[in-house]
Amino acid sequence: DAMVIQNPRYQVTQFGKPVTLSCSQTLNHNVMYWYQQKSSQAPKLLFHYYDKDFNNEADTPDNFQSRRPNTSFCFLDIRSPGLGDAAMYLCATSRDYKATAAGQPQHFGDGTRLSIL
Amino acid sequence: AQSVTQLDSQVPVFEEAPVELRCNYSSSVSVYLFWYVQYPNQGLQLLLKYLSGSTLVKGINGFEAEFNKSQTSFHLRKPSVHISDTAEYFCAVSEVNAGGTSYGKLTFGQGTILTVHP
Repeated sequence: DAMVIQNPRYQVTQFGKPVTLSCSQTLNHNVMYWYQQKSSQAPKLLFHYYDKDFNNEADTPDNFQSRRPNTSFCFLDIRSPGLGDAAMYLCATSRDYKATAAGQPQHFGDGTRLSIL
Repeated sequence: AQSVTQLDSQVPVFEEAPVELRCNYSSSVSVYLFWYVQYPNQGLQLLLKYLSGSTLVKGINGFEAEFNKSQTSFHLRKPSVHISDTAEYFCAVSEVNAGGTSYGKLTFGQGTILTVHP
């Protein structure tokens, strides 16, 4: 089945130690999103890629970066994780802007739960 | 800008009872409406969506929702719940015909935790 796969499912890192989360997709979708979801809260969009074009949300901290080396993969880099960055990180995809504008839903991975020691 | 309010943060019910999870939205433009379900330690899965046409939409797992434009609501219902329906449910909206940086951006409600007791 075509899927959105996130690795690892659980990640533990030390305060201030850079960490990278991975997302891959077999849907061949143009758009890939990263969300942060803290406990008992709604997912919060951090940024997205349309193909190779990066789009940052205005309130996403500079500590969060992303890379998309090809259509299938997208990475979330946290340069210096703080305790407040402990959360579930969700990757999602959509076919393209026209599709999302026409109401097609986003497809989500199972998330990576990040813990900070 | 859109906003979504899920009126109940937690809803406990007994197995085989009916349930309604409430969602109200606010927007200056037309929106599409979605319900997503999130099981523990998993991502979000689409339950159903309203784009246009019939205001009653049916989704997976026996859920349905009704769009009420005058009340700006999109409540989720199931006539008889199972233990396996225990999860968190998110209502979300996106702007119709969004262009530019609006790209179908989802605005989520805060979520409703449905707990089904035996």
